[in-house]
Amino acid sequence: QKEVEQNSGPLSVPEGAIASLNCTYSDRGSQSFFWYRQYSGKSPELIMSIYSNGDKEDGRFTAQLNKASQYVSLLIRDSQPSDSATYLCASCTGNQFYFGTGTSLTVIP
Amino acid sequence: DTGVSQNPRHKITKRGQNVTFRCDPISEHNRLYWYRQTLGQGPEFLTYFQNEAQLEKSRLLSDRFSAERPKGSFSTLEIQRTEQGDSAMYLCASSLLGDRSPLHFGNGTRLTVT
Repeated sequence: QKEVEQNSGPLSVPEGAIASLNCTYSDRGSQSFFWYRQYSGKSPELIMSIYSNGDKEDGRFTAQLNKASQYVSLLIRDSQPSDSATYLCASCTGNQFYFGTGTSLTVIP
Repeated sequence: DTGVSQNPRHKITKRGQNVTFRCDPISEHNRLYWYRQTLGQGPEFLTYFQNEAQLEKSRLLSDRFSAERPKGSFSTLEIQRTEQGDSAMYLCASSLLGDRSPLHFGNGTRLTVT
Protein backbone atom coordinates (compact mmCIF):
# COMPACT_ATOMS: atom_id res chain seq x y z
CA GLN A 1 0.00 0.00 0.00
CA LYS A 2 1.36 3.40 -0.95
CA GLU A 3 1.69 6.06 1.72
CA VAL A 4 -0.42 8.55 -0.23
CA GLU A 5 -3.08 7.60 -2.76
CA GLN A 6 -4.76 9.84 -5.29
CA ASN A 7 -7.18 9.21 -8.10
CA SER A 8 -5.07 9.88 -11.19
CA GLY A 9 -8.07 11.22 -13.13
CA PRO A 10 -8.22 12.85 -15.53
CA LEU A 11 -10.76 15.16 -13.98
CA SER A 12 -12.52 17.61 -16.27
CA VAL A 13 -14.66 20.51 -15.08
CA PRO A 14 -16.19 23.45 -16.94
CA GLU A 15 -14.82 26.94 -16.34
CA GLY A 16 -16.37 28.49 -13.25
CA ALA A 17 -17.22 25.17 -11.61
CA ILE A 18 -15.80 23.70 -8.40
CA ALA A 19 -13.04 21.12 -8.84
CA SER A 20 -12.71 18.58 -6.03
CA LEU A 21 -9.48 16.64 -5.61
CA ASN A 22 -9.08 13.87 -3.06
CA CYS A 23 -6.24 12.08 -1.33
CA THR A 24 -5.91 9.38 1.35
CA TYR A 25 -2.88 8.54 3.44
CA SER A 26 -1.89 5.45 5.37
CA ASP A 27 0.38 6.70 8.20
CA ARG A 28 -1.67 7.93 11.17
CA GLY A 29 1.51 9.58 12.44
CA SER A 30 1.52 12.06 9.55
CA GLN A 31 1.14 15.57 10.89
CA SER A 32 1.32 17.83 7.87
CA PHE A 33 -0.21 17.76 4.43
CA PHE A 34 0.52 19.77 1.35
CA TRP A 35 -0.98 20.33 -2.07
CA TYR A 36 1.28 21.10 -4.99
CA ARG A 37 0.35 22.16 -8.51
CA GLN A 38 2.52 20.91 -11.36
CA TYR A 39 2.21 22.17 -14.90
CA SER A 40 3.38 19.87 -17.67
CA GLY A 41 7.17 19.80 -17.85
CA LYS A 42 7.55 22.04 -14.80
CA SER A 43 8.38 21.38 -11.16
CA PRO A 44 5.82 21.19 -8.31
CA GLU A 45 4.66 24.49 -6.83
CA LEU A 46 3.23 24.68 -3.30
CA ILE A 47 -0.34 25.97 -3.16
CA MET A 48 -1.69 24.89 0.25
CA SER A 49 -0.57 23.48 3.58
CA ILE A 50 -2.87 22.04 6.25
CA TYR A 51 -2.07 20.62 9.68
CA SER A 52 -5.32 20.56 11.69
CA ASN A 53 -8.66 18.89 11.16
CA GLY A 54 -11.15 21.05 9.30
CA ASP A 55 -10.98 23.52 6.45
CA LYS A 56 -8.35 26.04 5.46
CA GLU A 57 -9.15 28.62 2.83
CA ASP A 58 -6.79 30.66 0.67
CA GLY A 59 -8.41 32.62 -2.11
CA ARG A 60 -10.16 30.20 -4.46
CA PHE A 61 -8.53 27.19 -2.79
CA THR A 62 -9.85 25.30 0.25
CA ALA A 63 -7.97 22.39 1.79
CA GLN A 64 -9.83 19.95 4.03
CA LEU A 65 -8.30 17.49 6.47
CA ASN A 66 -9.99 14.64 8.31
CA LYS A 67 -7.41 12.76 10.38
CA ALA A 68 -9.92 10.18 11.63
CA SER A 69 -10.66 9.14 8.05
CA GLN A 70 -7.06 9.82 6.90
CA TYR A 71 -8.44 11.95 4.11
CA VAL A 72 -7.27 15.22 2.57
CA SER A 73 -9.03 17.15 -0.15
CA LEU A 74 -8.58 20.30 -2.20
CA LEU A 75 -11.45 22.34 -3.57
CA ILE A 76 -10.88 24.89 -6.30
CA ARG A 77 -13.73 27.33 -6.67
CA ASP A 78 -14.47 29.28 -9.86
CA SER A 79 -12.08 27.04 -11.80
CA GLN A 80 -10.10 28.75 -14.55
CA PRO A 81 -8.38 27.26 -17.60
CA SER A 82 -5.08 28.28 -15.98
CA ASP A 83 -5.86 25.80 -13.17
CA SER A 84 -5.39 22.95 -15.66
CA ALA A 85 -2.45 21.01 -14.21
CA THR A 86 -1.58 17.95 -12.17
CA TYR A 87 -2.21 18.32 -8.44
CA LEU A 88 0.05 16.41 -6.07
CA CYS A 89 -0.92 15.56 -2.51
CA ALA A 90 1.92 15.10 -0.01
CA SER A 91 2.16 14.06 3.61
CA CYS A 92 5.02 14.68 6.02
CA THR A 93 6.08 12.41 8.85
CA GLY A 94 9.22 13.58 10.62
CA ASN A 95 11.69 14.40 7.87
CA GLN A 96 10.08 12.26 5.21
CA PHE A 97 7.66 13.56 2.58
CA TYR A 98 5.44 11.15 0.64
CA PHE A 99 3.78 12.12 -2.62
CA GLY A 100 0.80 10.71 -4.43
CA THR A 101 0.91 10.11 -8.17
CA GLY A 102 -1.13 13.25 -8.80
CA THR A 103 -4.55 14.03 -10.24
CA SER A 104 -4.71 15.59 -13.68
CA LEU A 105 -7.25 18.43 -13.86
CA THR A 106 -8.53 20.00 -17.07
CA VAL A 107 -10.73 23.10 -16.91
CA ILE A 108 -12.76 23.42 -20.08
CA PRO A 109 -13.42 27.02 -21.27
CA ASP B 1 15.29 34.87 -1.72
CA THR B 2 16.06 33.57 -5.18
CA GLY B 3 14.47 30.17 -4.64
CA VAL B 4 16.00 26.76 -5.25
CA SER B 5 18.31 26.72 -8.25
CA GLN B 6 19.23 23.61 -10.26
CA ASN B 7 21.76 23.19 -13.03
CA PRO B 8 21.79 22.16 -15.75
CA ARG B 9 18.13 22.38 -16.82
CA HIS B 10 18.59 19.68 -19.41
CA LYS B 11 21.21 16.98 -19.89
CA ILE B 12 21.50 14.52 -22.73
CA THR B 13 24.09 11.82 -22.29
CA LYS B 14 25.05 8.51 -23.80
CA ARG B 15 24.51 5.30 -21.88
CA GLY B 16 27.50 4.49 -19.70
CA GLN B 17 28.58 8.09 -19.14
CA ASN B 18 28.65 9.79 -15.75
CA VAL B 19 26.57 12.89 -15.05
CA THR B 20 26.52 15.36 -12.19
CA PHE B 21 23.74 17.75 -11.24
CA ARG B 22 23.94 20.71 -8.89
CA CYS B 23 21.36 22.17 -6.52
CA ASP B 24 21.58 25.47 -4.64
CA PRO B 25 18.88 25.53 -1.94
CA ILE B 26 17.23 28.54 -0.37
CA SER B 27 20.01 29.92 1.78
CA GLU B 28 18.46 29.54 5.24
CA HIS B 29 17.05 26.05 4.60
CA ASN B 30 18.67 23.23 6.56
CA ARG B 31 17.00 20.36 4.77
CA LEU B 32 17.73 19.37 1.20
CA TYR B 33 16.08 16.57 -0.74
CA TRP B 34 16.61 14.91 -4.10
CA TYR B 35 13.67 13.32 -5.91
CA ARG B 36 13.25 11.65 -9.27
CA GLN B 37 10.06 11.95 -11.28
CA THR B 38 8.96 10.10 -14.39
CA LEU B 39 5.90 10.79 -16.53
CA GLY B 40 2.63 10.16 -14.75
CA GLN B 41 4.26 9.52 -11.38
CA GLY B 42 4.73 11.56 -8.26
CA PRO B 43 8.20 12.54 -7.07
CA GLU B 44 10.16 9.51 -5.84
CA PHE B 45 12.45 10.08 -2.87
CA LEU B 46 16.17 9.56 -3.49
CA THR B 47 18.03 11.08 -0.56
CA TYR B 48 17.87 13.69 2.21
CA PHE B 49 20.43 15.97 3.86
CA GLN B 50 20.15 17.92 7.06
CA ASN B 51 22.88 20.52 6.82
CA GLU B 52 25.91 18.57 5.55
CA ALA B 53 24.82 15.18 6.89
CA GLN B 54 23.16 12.69 4.55
CA LEU B 55 20.55 11.26 6.89
CA GLU B 56 18.52 9.09 4.60
CA LYS B 57 18.89 7.33 1.28
CA SER B 58 16.23 5.37 -0.57
CA ARG B 59 16.67 1.61 -0.32
CA LEU B 60 15.69 1.46 -3.98
CA LEU B 61 18.59 3.67 -4.98
CA SER B 62 21.32 1.99 -6.97
CA ASP B 63 24.90 2.37 -5.77
CA ARG B 64 25.53 4.16 -9.07
CA PHE B 65 23.88 7.18 -7.44
CA SER B 66 25.76 9.33 -4.96
CA ALA B 67 25.04 12.70 -3.45
CA GLU B 68 27.00 15.19 -1.42
CA ARG B 69 26.32 18.42 0.38
CA PRO B 70 29.71 19.79 1.42
CA LYS B 71 29.55 22.50 4.09
CA GLY B 72 25.76 22.23 4.19
CA SER B 73 25.27 24.57 1.26
CA PHE B 74 24.86 23.39 -2.34
CA SER B 75 24.44 19.72 -3.18
CA THR B 76 25.49 17.53 -6.08
CA LEU B 77 23.92 14.34 -7.35
CA GLU B 78 26.10 12.08 -9.46
CA ILE B 79 24.94 9.15 -11.54
CA GLN B 80 27.68 6.82 -12.72
CA ARG B 81 27.42 4.53 -15.74
CA THR B 82 24.06 5.92 -16.75
CA GLU B 83 21.37 3.61 -18.08
CA GLN B 84 18.34 4.41 -20.23
CA GLY B 85 16.14 3.77 -17.19
CA ASP B 86 17.77 6.73 -15.48
CA SER B 87 16.02 9.10 -17.89
CA ALA B 88 13.77 11.26 -15.70
CA MET B 89 13.33 14.68 -14.15
CA TYR B 90 15.61 15.08 -11.13
CA LEU B 91 14.15 17.47 -8.61
CA CYS B 92 15.88 19.16 -5.72
CA ALA B 93 13.85 20.65 -2.87
CA SER B 94 14.73 22.42 0.35
CA SER B 95 12.93 23.38 3.53
CA LEU B 96 13.37 24.63 7.06
CA LEU B 97 13.41 22.12 9.90
CA GLY B 98 10.07 21.03 11.35
CA ASP B 99 7.26 18.91 9.94
CA ARG B 100 5.17 22.00 9.19
CA SER B 101 7.79 23.33 6.79
CA PRO B 102 6.89 22.55 3.19
CA LEU B 103 9.29 21.61 0.45
CA HIS B 104 10.25 24.24 -2.10
CA PHE B 105 11.28 22.74 -5.40
CA GLY B 106 13.81 23.88 -7.95
CA ASN B 107 13.04 23.82 -11.67
CA GLY B 108 14.54 20.37 -12.02
CA THR B 109 17.11 18.80 -14.31
CA ARG B 110 15.70 16.71 -17.15
CA LEU B 111 18.04 13.83 -17.95
CA THR B 112 17.83 11.92 -21.21
CA VAL B 113 20.05 8.87 -21.61
CA THR B 114 20.43 7.71 -25.22
